[in-house]
Amino acid sequence: DAMVIQNPRYQVTQFGKPVTLSCSQTLNHNVMYWYQQKSSQAPKLLFHYYDKDFNNEADTPDNFQSRRPNTSFCFLDIRSPGLGDAAMYLCATSRDRSPSEKLFFGSGTQLSVL
Amino acid sequence: AQKITQTQPGMFVQEKEAVTLDCTYDTSDPSYGLFWYKQPSSGEMIFLIYQGSYDQQNATEGRYSLNFQKARKSANLVISASQLGDSAMYFCAMREQYNFNKFYFGSGTKLNVKP
Repeated sequence: DAMVIQNPRYQVTQFGKPVTLSCSQTLNHNVMYWYQQKSSQAPKLLFHYYDKDFNNEADTPDNFQSRRPNTSFCFLDIRSPGLGDAAMYLCATSRDRSPSEKLFFGSGTQLSVL
Repeated sequence: AQKITQTQPGMFVQEKEAVTLDCTYDTSDPSYGLFWYKQPSSGEMIFLIYQGSYDQQNATEGRYSLNFQKARKSANLVISASQLGDSAMYFCAMREQYNFNKFYFGSGTKLNVKP
């Protein structure tokens, strides 16, 4: 009965080789988020979708792209991963964006860049 | 200015004792929500407790309670009767009415429960 599912749990890629991380949800939530989290730091918001509306954070590198083909799925594409992109990537959802709405997180994808 | 401040990078507590994790926040929005999440070493973020800015009572969820002091802009998490499984990172977070795109996280507190 997992609600936010991220695949794969661990991903290893080579420097400069494109990689895609995936996230799916069974909650039918309107909002989906991608966060990057480096060791012992707070999660950093990369972008989010409100339905089909894409919202990019100003400091998200151009190297990072996202797609949301339907309500249930969201993808994070890293076009040319660098060593600095090694991190945990967390997908999250919320029903909407009101102050009372919590985030539901997936278990994350740990990305290693060799 | 930091939206969420957690001043305790790490804490130790003895098993079965209570512990308070500090969180202060900064907002001028009258409507906001405050959240605490637990992140074990496995990496998943687990929701613990929520407090709304208009809530009169402090939130409680089992062994977790939130000590909400609105005038001081603090939202401390209290864990009663600590267990070994409580060892984890704990993040305080906030969501505002007007800046609804953002879910602000603090830098976290790593809690270690000693047997």
